Amino acid sequence: DAGVIQSPRHEVTEMGQEVTLRCKPISGHNSLFWYRQTMMRGLELLIYFNNNVPIDDSGMPEDRFSAKMPNASFSTLKIQPSEPRDSAVYFCASSILQGGGNQPQHFGDGTRLSIL
Amino acid sequence: RKEVEQDPGPFNVPEGATVAFNCTYSNSASQSFFWYRQDCRKEPKLLMSVYSSGNEDGRFTAQLNRASQYISLLIRDSKLSDSATYLCVASKAAGNKLTFGGGTRVLVKP
Repeated sequence: DAGVIQSPRHEVTEMGQEVTLRCKPISGHNSLFWYRQTMMRGLELLIYFNNNVPIDDSGMPEDRFSAKMPNASFSTLKIQPSEPRDSAVYFCASSILQGGGNQPQHFGDGTRLSIL
Repeated sequence: RKEVEQDPGPFNVPEGATVAFNCTYSNSASQSFFWYRQDCRKEPKLLMSVYSSGNEDGRFTAQLNRASQYISLLIRDSKLSDSATYLCVASKAAGNKLTFGGGTRVLVKP
């Protein structure tokens, strides 16, 4: 079975450019999460969706960051304009939303983003 | 104070030895707990869920202490391949949001 699929795997771009990261969750999963990981700050939750609806975007660092989930099988995280401090590994994860307790999340391979 | 705290390590462990480490969580409303493993430059992967009664999966044993608000992970008969960062995770019942600790690095040496 296919896991969470992220693209691109690596992105190097100059500051000021728009960056779009993509994620395809596991089929049948109805929760999707975007994380950022750096050495200094560890794994940080940026935003998550339940049934394609954004539930908590309090982790989105600035207005330069935006995320969408137009359908159950696709989500994007956009940074515009990008800055060097946005350099990090960005992970997408998905899980099944059900009552009575939270389910473990399954992560994609991540996108390594470098802003020069 | 972080919601989920871990000793960053590293824990240097001789091959074949036993290693154990804890993780504390500050939100008493936390209901679900997990241990994830992350290898260098890879994504976090679920190692095991943590149940109230404690649970074992092969050489790995997880315990939950609600009164003191910590969970633990014990690795018996350590293998070189156990070298990784172990992430502790806690979450409340509603919303499906997980909170990750900063990770504990374990290095198993021959």
